[in-house]
Amino acid sequence: DAGVIQSPRHEVTEMGQEVTLRCKPISGHDYLFWYRQTMMRGLELLIYFNNNVPIDDSGMPEDRFSAKMPNASFSTLKIQPSEPRDSAVYFCASSSGQPNEKLFFGSGTQLSVL
Amino acid sequence: SQQGEEDPQALSIQEGENATMNCSYKTSINNLQWYRQNSGRGLVHLILIRSNEREKHSGRLRVTLDTSKKSSSLLITASRAADTASYFCATGVTGNTGKLIFGQGTTLQVKP
Repeated sequence: DAGVIQSPRHEVTEMGQEVTLRCKPISGHDYLFWYRQTMMRGLELLIYFNNNVPIDDSGMPEDRFSAKMPNASFSTLKIQPSEPRDSAVYFCASSSGQPNEKLFFGSGTQLSVL
Repeated sequence: SQQGEEDPQALSIQEGENATMNCSYKTSINNLQWYRQNSGRGLVHLILIRSNEREKHSGRLRVTLDTSKKSSSLLITASRAADTASYFCATGVTGNTGKLIFGQGTTLQVKP
């Protein structure tokens, strides 16, 4: 299995632009998570899905952030409009079976908003 | 919000020595997990210990869990330079199906 695949690996954009991050979970996994990692705040859970349905989006910082999971093999995290404080590494992770089981992380998207 | 607090924030040891990292948390948990992150990479799962377990081993890793003190420790024995990484604890919070909350991490440097 190829593991969790994220794209792009790096994204540099200007303030105000729309940013879309993509994730392909491991086939058969029914949980998908989006995390954000910064030096100041560490790893923050933004949102997670179970069977393509958003379960908890309480970590989404504000309305500029949105996430979708149109099918079991694809998810997007969109920031519109982007701001410099959104600069971070965004990780997607997936897991299977029971809740709280081990996560498989993608390599992350390094986002820089200038 | 971050539930886990890890101690120390940074640790530097010589190859061959043991490394111990601690994690404290605040709420009831289903399980506690440890992950490793190499610089510039995603996190990799190391070990999971359930709330009804007290100790678990995996190779050179030993994890303990004390639910009465809401704390866990990760011991890496006979460390190697390749163990240099950041280590995070993550808690599966009771009642939050699927949600894992990560601590701030411990940065371990193993000097050859």
